[in-house]
Amino acid sequence: GAVVSQHPSRVICKSGTSVKIECRSLDFQATTMFWYRQFPKKSLMLMATSNEGSKATYEQGVEKDKFLINHASLTLSTLTVTSAHPEDSSFYICSSTVRESRTDTQYFGPGTRLTVL
Amino acid sequence: QKEVEQNSGPLSVPEGAIASLNCTYSDRGSQSFFWYRQYSGKSPELIMSIYSNGDKEDGRFTAQLNKASQYVSLLIRDSQPSDSATYLCAVIEGYSTLTFGKGTMLLVSP
Repeated sequence: GAVVSQHPSRVICKSGTSVKIECRSLDFQATTMFWYRQFPKKSLMLMATSNEGSKATYEQGVEKDKFLINHASLTLSTLTVTSAHPEDSSFYICSSTVRESRTDTQYFGPGTRLTVL
Repeated sequence: QKEVEQNSGPLSVPEGAIASLNCTYSDRGSQSFFWYRQYSGKSPELIMSIYSNGDKEDGRFTAQLNKASQYVSLLIRDSQPSDSATYLCAVIEGYSTLTFGKGTMLLVSP
């Protein structure tokens, strides 16, 4: 399957700082990438859909000014959590789709665990 | 509103048994179906995809699809403790956004 990487895997920051998370497709070009958030023992929650060269589409209730997404190339999307607060502490996972003959198959990155002190 | 329903579990099976995980979906237009495995603290990993009615086998895993009943299942034969994880069912219509179920936790006891 396709390989998606994320960096960093774990980050601890102080409240009020901004954190950037990178998501890369290693062996394919990703026109579309997705950003999810998952709290402990909870379901995956889609935050936004990132399209190369255009603005991201955010899910209802997700603050686009707080969670900045940039998809400047076909292999890289970034999520910046601005002015992070303890309630933003979560597991952030990106994914990308590989277009196959009948459908798009989605592959996930390994995730980034964010802890805001 | 597209919905994918899964029993949250936990589903407990002894080592060596067959684990049966079930999923129903609401959108009759759904064409592609996926099973992901997610270990605690890790991201989801694709196990299988299925597109046509019937069974699809891959090693110890068998996916079953019944579009008329809007039902997809995953069977795990010879279950191992290492299979203990949350299994996510996901469906998609053509080339669009994947809709996930909330997942079923599987516990395989030695």
